[in-house]
Amino acid sequence: DAGVIQSPRHEVTEMGQEVTLRCKPISGHDYLFWYRQTMMRGLELLIYFNNNVPIDDSGMPEDRFSAKMPNASFSTLKIQPSEPRDSAVYFCASTRFTGASTDTQYFGPGTRLTVL
Amino acid sequence: ELKVEQNPLFLSMQEGKNYTIYCNYSTTSDRLYWYRQDPGKSLESLFVLLSNGAVKQEGRLMASLDTKARLSTLHITAAVHDLSATYFCAVLPYSGGGADGLTFGKGTHLIIQP
Repeated sequence: DAGVIQSPRHEVTEMGQEVTLRCKPISGHDYLFWYRQTMMRGLELLIYFNNNVPIDDSGMPEDRFSAKMPNASFSTLKIQPSEPRDSAVYFCASTRFTGASTDTQYFGPGTRLTVL
Repeated sequence: ELKVEQNPLFLSMQEGKNYTIYCNYSTTSDRLYWYRQDPGKSLESLFVLLSNGAVKQEGRLMASLDTKARLSTLHITAAVHDLSATYFCAVLPYSGGGADGLTFGKGTHLIIQP
């Protein structure tokens, strides 16, 4: 399997612009997670989906952030309008929950976002 | 609110030495994870620990879990330079079943010098 795929890998944009980050989870996984990593706040959960349905979006910073999962193989995280404080690495992760001791979340390579 | 604390946050050690990273968490948890992150890279899953007393080993790394103390340790034996990385512990909050988002510690930045 190719693993979790994210695009773009790097994004540089100007304040006020719309940014869309994309994620393709591992085939067969039923959970998809969006995390953000910054030096100041570390790794934070933004939102997660189960079977394409958003379950917990309490980590989404504000209304400027939105996420969708239209089907089992694709999710987007959108920031509109973007601000410099949104600069971070955004990771997508997926898992198939079986209850087994080997269940783990697999992380994508991340998108490094810089908002000027 | 679930809190996860790691210590130390920074560790510089010499090759061949042993050391332990500690991870404390504040509430009941379903399971605990250890991840490795190399600079500019993604997170790689190392261990998943479920039950009290669980111990897992891979090469020079050994992880253990004490659910009563809400403490996990990552022990490094005879460190080698290739183990230099940032190590995160992460906790899955108790949910009665099913996956959930992880709460991460701040990470331990480990440098192993020849």
